[in-house]
Amino acid sequence: GNSVTQMEGPVTLSEEAFLTINCTYTATGYPSLFWYVQYPGEGLQLLLKATKADDKGSNKGFEATYRKETTSFHLEKGSVQVSDSAVYFCALITTQGGSEKLVFGKGTKLTVNP
Amino acid sequence: EPEVTQTPSHQVTQMGQEVILRCVPISNHLYFYWYRQILGQKVEFLVSFYNNEISEKSEIFDDQFSVERPDGSNFTLKIRSTKLEDSAMYFCASSAQGAYNEQFFGPGTRLTVL
Repeated sequence: GNSVTQMEGPVTLSEEAFLTINCTYTATGYPSLFWYVQYPGEGLQLLLKATKADDKGSNKGFEATYRKETTSFHLEKGSVQVSDSAVYFCALITTQGGSEKLVFGKGTKLTVNP
Repeated sequence: EPEVTQTPSHQVTQMGQEVILRCVPISNHLYFYWYRQILGQKVEFLVSFYNNEISEKSEIFDDQFSVERPDGSNFTLKIRSTKLEDSAMYFCASSAQGAYNEQFFGPGTRLTVL
């Protein structure tokens, strides 16, 4: 079946540190990959996405590259800010059977200290 | 900016009681979803709904669960006889189109079954 595995949190960084949150997936067919972010008290928001191999999604200084050979979609940011403190979810959708359901990882809580 | 809203933000109920969780999707969206997250676990797909019928459901979505779009704006999830293991955060989502298109999430309803 389809699944997403994220690195265990929580992750605590100082402001301006480099961030990597690892995400690997198992999927049948050709998945689209997503990173969602949940700020305290809010819903899940799409942060970035990539729909085919070697695509790079980017938004708000975050990047992730769809690596089919390693089945990975690691999230990176060169210099985190306090406002980036949130829970980050890696997710996928596959075309198999025309499914529309997102399959999520467990989420990784990021805390950025000033 | 349009957003998905959910009420209540927190619901406490006794085991065996019926609960209805309410969602107001973004007004021009056609696809609606419920997901849940048990504390410390993954966000899991429950059901998708399109054109006034269920288009896909997970194994979790058994006969105790039902969804309805009673009018042009609300989308509800009913649990007929709650169990302790139904305690979770329930997220509603909507999208303008189906697969691969961004799903917009609400802030969630935390359901606590005692």
